[in-house]
Amino acid sequence: DAGVIQSPRHEVTEMGQEVTLRCKPISGHNSLFWYRQTMMRGLELLIYFNNNVPIDDSGMPEDRFSAKMPNASFSTLKIQPSEPRDSAVYFCASSFGQLYGYTFGSGTRLTVV
Amino acid sequence: GENVEQHPSTLSVQEGDSAVIKCTYSDSASNYFPWYKQELGKGPQLIIDIRSNVGEKKDQRIAVTLNKTAKHFSLHITETQPEDSAVYFCAACHQAGTALIFGKGTTLSVSS
Repeated sequence: DAGVIQSPRHEVTEMGQEVTLRCKPISGHNSLFWYRQTMMRGLELLIYFNNNVPIDDSGMPEDRFSAKMPNASFSTLKIQPSEPRDSAVYFCASSFGQLYGYTFGSGTRLTVV
Repeated sequence: GENVEQHPSTLSVQEGDSAVIKCTYSDSASNYFPWYKQELGKGPQLIIDIRSNVGEKKDQRIAVTLNKTAKHFSLHITETQPEDSAVYFCAACHQAGTALIFGKGTTLSVSS
């Protein structure tokens, strides 16, 4: 298996632009998680899905952030409009459930200028 | 909700020494405690985990201990090697709660 695949690896965008991050989980995993990593705040849970259904989105910073999982093999995290404080590394992870080891992707490094 | 505290934030050891990283959690219902290793430019990778029905678990040079009464768990690495240098994260969660909540991480440096 190729593992969890995230794209793009790097994204540089101007403030106010829309950004879409993509994730392909491991085939057979039924849980998918989006985390954000910064030096100041560490790894923060943004949202997670079970069987394509959002279960907890309380970590989504504000209405500018949205996430979808239209099917078991694809998820997106969208930021519109983007702001400089959104600059971070965004990780997607998948697993067989909350209480099993998560496999993380390589992350998307987002820079908003 | 769950809150996970991790100490120390940085740890420097000589090759061959042991390293210990400690975490405390706040939600007594938490029953799953994994540890992740993150190398530069990569995503965190699961190295070992423990569930609340077990007090200790070993896998070669790494071990994890859990004290549910004190809400405390630790990672022990013996005979450290330069390739153990990385950032280590502890985490906790339970079935009725949200997904894994992570500690802030420990940067381990092993010098030869």
